[in-house]
Amino acid sequence: DQQVKQNSPSLSVQEGRISILNCDYTNSMFDYFLWYKKYPAEGPTFLISISSIKDKNEDGRFTVFLNKSAKHLSLHIVPSQPGDSAVYFCAASQTGANNLFFGTGTRLTVIP
Amino acid sequence: EPEVTQTPSHQVTQMGQEVILRCVPISNHLYFYWYRQILGQKVEFLVSFYNNEISEKSEIFDDQFSVERPDGSNFTLKIRSTKLEDSAMYFCASRKDTLFREAFFGQGTRLTVV
Repeated sequence: DQQVKQNSPSLSVQEGRISILNCDYTNSMFDYFLWYKKYPAEGPTFLISISSIKDKNEDGRFTVFLNKSAKHLSLHIVPSQPGDSAVYFCAASQTGANNLFFGTGTRLTVIP
Repeated sequence: EPEVTQTPSHQVTQMGQEVILRCVPISNHLYFYWYRQILGQKVEFLVSFYNNEISEKSEIFDDQFSVERPDGSNFTLKIRSTKLEDSAMYFCASRKDTLFREAFFGQGTRLTVV
């Protein structure tokens, strides 16, 4: 039962362009969403988050958009840089529950 | 910057043996987690620990698994009788408190069961 889905296993983008990573969820009780970045042989690193009371959160080159009615969120990276190449995981949680539910990840490759 | 540290980075063990994976969470954090990632698959929740007891666990976390916080700094995951399918990256994570929903992960322990 996959409550958080990332349907694109990989994405390639030219350096300087926008990267858009997508995530869908099924559990309407989720009220907090996070994006993690993961390099090989390292643990996931927290990148940016958004609460369900917002529809947008921005931090430098990274912006997360949340569409609650569609149960969809996306991470925009602009401009993309070669160092952004990594696997990006979307995660979700709900108030009262301690764990995070992760998607399967999207491997982003930024081509110089 | 405070970080979650895990030891060892790589553990090879024979099937049927017991292993203990160790973690030192960030010092002022109250919630502790173990996750695992089988090669090529998603990051899966195993267990969360708060106030010296398990607060949630997944179906994966069966009787062969146990967690412990033996002192004020360490958080351990024990697998009693390892199986080939236990081979995975195991990640420890910690979270500050209920107000902060972000969990911070260690670099992982690669467990290889042969």
